[in-house]
Amino acid sequence: AQTVTQSQPEMSVQEAETVTLSCTYDTSESDYYLFWYKQPPSRQMILVIRQEAYKQQNATENRFSVNFQKAAKSFSLKISDSQLGDAAMYFCAYRSPNTGNQFYFGTGTSLTVIP
Amino acid sequence: NAGVMQNPRHLVRRRGQEARLRCSPMKGHSHVYWYRQLPEEGLKFMVYLQKENIIDESGMPKERFSAEFPKEGPSILRIQQVVRGDSAAYFCASSPRLGYGMNTEAFFGQGTRLTVV
Repeated sequence: AQTVTQSQPEMSVQEAETVTLSCTYDTSESDYYLFWYKQPPSRQMILVIRQEAYKQQNATENRFSVNFQKAAKSFSLKISDSQLGDAAMYFCAYRSPNTGNQFYFGTGTSLTVIP
Repeated sequence: NAGVMQNPRHLVRRRGQEARLRCSPMKGHSHVYWYRQLPEEGLKFMVYLQKENIIDESGMPKERFSAEFPKEGPSILRIQQVVRGDSAAYFCASSPRLGYGMNTEAFFGQGTRLTVV
């Protein structure tokens, strides 16, 4: 099975600053999908951003962008102009079209935003 | 199109009772995933189902736990003879089958928080 690694259990950022959350994954596949999910204190899982492996261009959603390095199997999330509402647990996820459409999640990074 | 619906939101059971957690996927979604989350921890995969089939149950304990996704009706995660260690939040997610141009992500329900007393 594919593995997804988030090496930063906790991160903090000053309000209005930029923070980068790291994610690496292990796969032998060439076609797959990557996601970042946010889980605020309400515990609702919210999709932040998605990236298709066949697209070289990094995905962007407003203040959220990714740095997708396919060869390095790295998929980091950059949050610009951090806001208090960004405080949450962030999960990186991998989806394979080949292993039965399964999703693989990392262990999460808890982000604190300091006012 | 309603989102993924889980019920109940909160469930309290005494040790030894049965817990039934329900998940109605989004319309048109044929894949259902169940995850367990302990406080301050990540998501632990339990089971992945398609209509009437269990595709991957490698994360589900072999005893006391079972899951189904019938042709009609919601997916059910069933925990028999609950113990205190079963207390956790259980999340269900659904997705459509992968196809070019379609949504590829999993959509999550709000979870069921099970407390065993």
